[in-house]
Amino acid sequence: AQSVTQPDIHITVSEGASLELRCNYSYGATPYLFWYVQSPGQGLQLLLKYFSGDTLVQGIKGFEAEFKRSQSSFNLRKPSVHWSDAAEYFCAVGAGYNDMRFGAGTRLTVKP
Amino acid sequence: NAGVTQTPKFQVLKTGQSMTLQCAQDMNHEYMSWYRQDPGMGLRLIHYSVGAGITDQGEVPNGYNVSRSTTEDFPLRLLSAAPSQTSVYFCASSSLWDTYGYTFGSGTRLTVV
Repeated sequence: AQSVTQPDIHITVSEGASLELRCNYSYGATPYLFWYVQSPGQGLQLLLKYFSGDTLVQGIKGFEAEFKRSQSSFNLRKPSVHWSDAAEYFCAVGAGYNDMRFGAGTRLTVKP
Repeated sequence: NAGVTQTPKFQVLKTGQSMTLQCAQDMNHEYMSWYRQDPGMGLRLIHYSVGAGITDQGEVPNGYNVSRSTTEDFPLRLLSAAPSQTSVYFCASSSLWDTYGYTFGSGTRLTVV
């Protein structure tokens, strides 16, 4: 069965430091891959998505993610974190409307 | 602003009561869905629809009903609320041409006592 794992429940980084959030998945084939961000009290906002082609995907707010087929991973990165990036981040994978699986989320705290 | 609107934002129900969570979108999206979000479990799909008159079950449909009479609206009905349905509920929509890039509402926080 397909599954999504975000190994880090909570990450704290200093403002200006680099960030990497991990996402691993288990799926029968290469699924569609997504990262969403959720600010407190808000719904989820799509950061980026991967369907095929270039394995390095650029998203909004300066985020990027790299798909690594051999590692079944789709890690999210940002070179320099801003205080406004503090939020919860969700990785999602799927191949159909009733087939989307979300990870449990990683909460990001940004230290001044 | 265009988007997905959910009402109410907060609700407290007693066990056994029924209620309807409202979801409306003004983007002419064909696909709409309901998710519930529980701590440590991510989002789980309850029901979804790919157009007016078409609905189907997701991963956790028990205790919930949906209907889709118009493109814009996709209400979620709790038939007889149970404490296990305490959760945050999100409605999401997308165009069938945007391959699963969802627009989410801001959520309804439901507590069943």
